[in-house]
Amino acid sequence: DTAVSQTPKYLVTQMGNDKSIKCEQNLGHDTMYWYKQDSKKFLKIMFSYNNKELIINETVPNRFSPKSPDKAHLNLHINSLELGDSAVYFCASSQSSGSYEQYFGPGTRLTVT
Amino acid sequence: LAKTTQPISMDSYEGQEVNITCSHNNIATNDYITWYQQFPSQGPRFIIQGYKTKVTNEVASLFIPADRKSSTLSLPRVSLSDTAVYYCLVAPSGSARQLTFGSGTQLTVLP
Repeated sequence: DTAVSQTPKYLVTQMGNDKSIKCEQNLGHDTMYWYKQDSKKFLKIMFSYNNKELIINETVPNRFSPKSPDKAHLNLHINSLELGDSAVYFCASSQSSGSYEQYFGPGTRLTVT
Repeated sequence: LAKTTQPISMDSYEGQEVNITCSHNNIATNDYITWYQQFPSQGPRFIIQGYKTKVTNEVASLFIPADRKSSTLSLPRVSLSDTAVYYCLVAPSGSARQLTFGSGTQLTVLP
């Protein structure tokens, strides 16, 4: 009965590879997000989707491509991985795009070697 | 965007009340104040949100003075399990885009 789940929890890969992280929420929320938390623990929003429509696209390299097949899922695909992509990626959801109460997943720790 | 300033770290003992103050001098009229908690290796968790005066829920209280240039998160009778990073966020109403997490306050509760 996990509210927001992500897979995988850990991802170790080499530079240049392409990888995906999946996220699912069972809260019936309209809005989903991807955040990146770097080694200094700063958490920054990357993308947000509202009812499968992209509403936030921060200054993120276009190697990162989110996809929302339906309201309950928001996946993140990363092409040509770089060392600087190593971080913890959090998925989150909220009832609406204006809600501050966001529910976060457990995170995916991505390590690029 | 209103910038927030919080202490980098705080220590407390079990059973004490802990107050974490956040400064947001350039808060705008339509900004709300939100606090999140993050345990190691977990995603942040929403604690409380307010606009002015006092807000209380089952976890914490949030005190906001009339000028709204600061806010204080109050955790009653902390336990070891309250050891976490606490983030103060200020963002305009209806704008998830502006939800920016700063460096937070590392609270360590000691036995």
